[in-house]
Amino acid sequence: GAVVSQHPSWVICKSGTSVKIECRSLDFQATTMFWYRQFPKQSLMLMATSNEGSKATYEQGVEKDKFLINHASLTLSTLTVTSAHPEDSSFYICSASPLMSSGANVLTFGAGSRLTVL
Amino acid sequence: SQKIEQNSEALNIQEGKTATLTCNYTNYSPAYLQWYRQDPGRGPVFLLLIRENEKEKRKERLKVTFDTTLKQSLFHITASQPADSATYLCALGALHSKLIFGTGTLLAVQP
Repeated sequence: GAVVSQHPSWVICKSGTSVKIECRSLDFQATTMFWYRQFPKQSLMLMATSNEGSKATYEQGVEKDKFLINHASLTLSTLTVTSAHPEDSSFYICSASPLMSSGANVLTFGAGSRLTVL
Repeated sequence: SQKIEQNSEALNIQEGKTATLTCNYTNYSPAYLQWYRQDPGRGPVFLLLIRENEKEKRKERLKVTFDTTLKQSLFHITASQPADSATYLCALGALHSKLIFGTGTLLAVQP
C-alpha cells in the first residue's frame, strides 16, 4: 500500500529558530500533498495544499511567510516553520493521495511531527 | 458553514461488544465519507470509504452506513477488541476537493 514517511517525528527548538519537516511519498508519486496541524483533542486543521512545481495554496488564516512549503519533486514536500514561537508548538501531519480514478481523496498520512518550541 | 459532529465524549465498551460511533454533518452535501483511525501521537490511517449512493459498506469487523437524508454516518466495530482502542475520525469530501475532518471519537475497549 501507499506509504508516506515524515521526518522528524519530534523536534524541540528554541524560540526564534526555524524548523524543517520533510514529507516523502515512498511508493507513489504525489503531485499534491497536504499539511495539517492538530491540537490535543481537536480535529485535523488543513494548513495548506502543497503542489509540485508551483506555489502552495494556504488556508485562510495561515501565514504563508511563517509556514514555508516547498514541493520540489513528486515525492517530497517540506514545511518550514520560520522564527518559531511557543504558540507554534503542535502536532504537524502531512498526507498525500494516490488519487482514485473517481476523484475521491483517500489520504495516506505520515506519522506526524511533534514540535515543541521553548 | 460546514460542520461535522462526532461524539465528543469517549466511548467505553466491553470487549466482544459492538462499538457504534456517530458522525453527523450539516450544511454540506458530500460525495463520499471516510473513516480513519488515529492512535496517540500518530497520523490517521484510512479504514473505509462510502459514497453518497451507497447505504452500507463492510470490511472484516467494520461496517459503515451512510444516510444522506439524516446527514449521518454510523461506524460499527463488531466483536471489539482492546486493540481497537483509538480515536476514530470521520471525513467528508466532494469530488476533487479537500477533505473536512470531524474532531474524532475516542474509543476505549475494556478487556
